[in-house]
Amino acid sequence: EADIYQTPRYLVIGTGKKITLECSQTMGHDKMYWYQQDPGMELHLIHYSYGVNSTEKGDLSSESTVSRIRTEHFPLTLESARPSHTSQYLCASTGLGAEAFFGQGTRLTVV
Amino acid sequence: EDQVTQSPEALRLQEGESSSLNCSYTVSGLRGLFWYRQDPGKGPEFLFTLYSAGEEKEKERLKATLTKKESFLHITAPKPEDSATYLCAVVQAGTALIFGKGTTLSVSS
Repeated sequence: EADIYQTPRYLVIGTGKKITLECSQTMGHDKMYWYQQDPGMELHLIHYSYGVNSTEKGDLSSESTVSRIRTEHFPLTLESARPSHTSQYLCASTGLGAEAFFGQGTRLTVV
Repeated sequence: EDQVTQSPEALRLQEGESSSLNCSYTVSGLRGLFWYRQDPGKGPEFLFTLYSAGEEKEKERLKATLTKKESFLHITAPKPEDSATYLCAVVQAGTALIFGKGTTLSVSS
């Protein structure tokens, strides 16, 4: 069973607030990813990392930033939340086998 | 340009009515093709990895196959608990997973 954890599971926050979504994995995986998914829609890659101090933007510009200071931790930060950021955010990691294991997601609502 | 295309978008089956989901891809240098199951409000759950044409994997009522251009997820005698969205994803060398839009399967008793 995959050990990848996201907190919080649900978050309702006001416009303009700064928020950080947490993602941690205990599998020692080098590669980690953040995806954004609206209800009933496809997953869009927003950030990924291939290791410590390595971060890249994905296809979707989400006005967010990430950091990878430790292998197990890959937080996502929104400097100023907007209603358009309302979505589900999914974190994933992959090891040598390339299959990705996902967390349960954070459902963000910006009011 | 879509690199991963899944069909149909939605599929309704009666319990016990077998069918197949399709995933076609146009990426070059395929390093792996993955099938996931996603229940509403949850993260995708890994099902299968396929690496080369001709490969097959099975798990309970599910069987995944791979050719050079597409993959099929065969569902034999489905049950209502198989209802979910099934996602296909591919990975090329040096890239992150590329997901299709998924097929939403509904199985009624």
